[in-house]
Amino acid sequence: QVQLVQSGAEVKKPGASVKVSCKTSGYTFIDYYVHWVRQAPGQGLEWMGWLNPNSGVTDYAQKFQGRVTMTRDTSISTASMELSRLRSDDTAIYYCVRLGRDYDSFDYWGQGTLVTVSS
Amino acid sequence: DIQMTQSPSSLSASVGDRVTITCRASQSISVYLNWYQQKPGKAPKLLIYAASSLQSGVPSRFSGSGSGTDFTLTISSLQPEDFATYYCQQSYSTPYSFGQGTKLEIK
Repeated sequence: QVQLVQSGAEVKKPGASVKVSCKTSGYTFIDYYVHWVRQAPGQGLEWMGWLNPNSGVTDYAQKFQGRVTMTRDTSISTASMELSRLRSDDTAIYYCVRLGRDYDSFDYWGQGTLVTVSS
Repeated sequence: DIQMTQSPSSLSASVGDRVTITCRASQSISVYLNWYQQKPGKAPKLLIYAASSLQSGVPSRFSGSGSGTDFTLTISSLQPEDFATYYCQQSYSTPYSFGQGTKLEIK
């Protein structure tokens, strides 16, 4: 079965960077784009960008341009998202999501990784 | 960028009720509209894709309709496990965007 398993919770200080990993299984990693979505405490869902695991090509939301980097390691079917220059308002749960074949819907989600930014 | 507006933001209903949630896009998105259900402490789950197609394994009491800018999610007969937050999302163009969510609570 398809699974996306993310790395554990992180606590970071303002100005630091965080890298969240997303290990996939149950499907061919390079065949499906991976997106990242975040959710601040008690808030809605915010799209951050996508990664093409086959080519490594990325596209980021303008809000995160210059601070986010999405990468992959095809040898271990893992996608990663690094966010730099963290601020307190980056405190959120970060989800990796598989983009399905059906009208670009998000068909499988990771369990989420809580990133807390606090001095 | 395409803005998605859901209504209502919260809704109280009883088991067995029929409920409808609406979602409006700021421009036409054809049928590139998806609905997700999120329960507390869990990741969202895909319910409906392409405006009206039921994701595999989702109960048939869930249905979606609409095209262009106006969409609806209907739950025909609420079950206890349906009390959750629902989000619409457009996948017509990046940046993909979500509605602000509708929290469905027990009356």
